Amino acid sequence: AAGVIQSPRHLIKEKRETATLKCYPIPRHDTVYWYQQGPGQDPQFLISFYEKMQSDKGSIPDRFSAQQFSDYHSELNMSSLELGDSALYFCASSLVMGGPIDEQFFGPGTRLTVL
Amino acid sequence: GNSVTQMEGPVTLSEEAFLTINCTYTATGYPSLFWYVQYPGEGLQLLLKATKADDKGSNKGFEATYRKETTSFHLEKGSVQVSDSAVYFCALTTRDSNYQLIWGAGTKLIIKP
Repeated sequence: AAGVIQSPRHLIKEKRETATLKCYPIPRHDTVYWYQQGPGQDPQFLISFYEKMQSDKGSIPDRFSAQQFSDYHSELNMSSLELGDSALYFCASSLVMGGPIDEQFFGPGTRLTVL
Repeated sequence: GNSVTQMEGPVTLSEEAFLTINCTYTATGYPSLFWYVQYPGEGLQLLLKATKADDKGSNKGFEATYRKETTSFHLEKGSVQVSDSAVYFCALTTRDSNYQLIWGAGTKLIIKP
């Protein structure tokens, strides 16, 4: 069965650079969530989209932005990167309309390292 | 607000030992409860879930029962294996919070042969 795809899997950037993370949800899933997991920490919710519209916002810095496109893939754009942005970024997808709305399927994550 | 509290780790057990990882929650409304597992260097995998009181989630020998009266969702396994070594996260979602996952801090489990 198709799973959530994230790219790239690993990314190394310098301070003050920008980064774009991509997420391809499971086909026909209508909702995408982004989470940030720092080393040894639990995931922190950043932002979510339902049917291409932002549905909820968590602890996402103003330097970050995200969107969901017409094909339902999502991109997380991160600017003015800081050392503290080094983390594992997970994308998850779910099917709100007609599915188990509370079950999220996670991608493998993108490991971002800021030097 | 909604929150999840789980026992601190690391938890170190010998192979074939009985496992319990405690998880309690605070939530408005009627949450769905989850256990996720993260193996070293890997992503998050749903281990089991329960969506209403007295439901029991089970998978790969792990079980957890949704106890509304004690607001708990403790994870248990009768006989652990070395391959169960991982970090285990208890989490919940509620309709009020648009189903974003609220996570516990995670419990690292180490199983020694």
